[in-house]
Amino acid sequence: NAGVTQTPKFRILKIGQSMTLQCTQDMNHNYMYWYRQDPGMGLKLIYYSVGAGITDKGEVPNGYNVSRSTTEDFPLRLELAAPSQTSVYFCASSYNLPGYNNEQFFGPGTRLTVL
Amino acid sequence: EDQVTQSPEALRLQEGESSSLNCSYTVSGLRGLFWYRQDPGKGPEFLFTLYSAGEEKEKERLKATLTKKESFLHITAPKPEDSATYLCAVPNQAGTALIFGKGTTLSVSS
Repeated sequence: NAGVTQTPKFRILKIGQSMTLQCTQDMNHNYMYWYRQDPGMGLKLIYYSVGAGITDKGEVPNGYNVSRSTTEDFPLRLELAAPSQTSVYFCASSYNLPGYNNEQFFGPGTRLTVL
Repeated sequence: EDQVTQSPEALRLQEGESSSLNCSYTVSGLRGLFWYRQDPGKGPEFLFTLYSAGEEKEKERLKATLTKKESFLHITAPKPEDSATYLCAVPNQAGTALIFGKGTTLSVSS
């Protein structure tokens, strides 16, 4: 089991460029999440998905889009990158929503810099 | 508003010097409190989940406890390899995701 994998590990974008952060999990989890982590701040939820074809906004969704066509994959799309999107992005998955015996498993992260 | 507050922000210990990290939360209807460990440049790694006041869980030198308003992560006789950022999280009101605290960065020197 690879768990949750993310690509790329690092990326530098210019203002206005677009990119897709990839996330794949091999645990057959229904629930997947995208968080961003800024220095000195807690992880903030961007989007989440409860299954293929179903996504919803989290706390900080502006400037991002997601899709979930398969159980395994949950890509995060940045359109028109801005310096405020410089952050470390983590993808996570869980068998069920947060609660009893439903811890989230995290990927290694993508460090994004927008210049 | 649901909130999670961790203290201290940073903690420096000598090897073998025991201490505790605090996580206080304000959320109605707690459906679990989660502790994670995060090493530099890596994603958070799950440690414990606590569900009811009075519950305790242990893993090596770590012991997590839970009251109605806060959780403590006790570190007994820490070693340098325990150096990491420890994150606390609770499910949000909707139960759709976790709310994380800012973390406590622990440094243990030999």
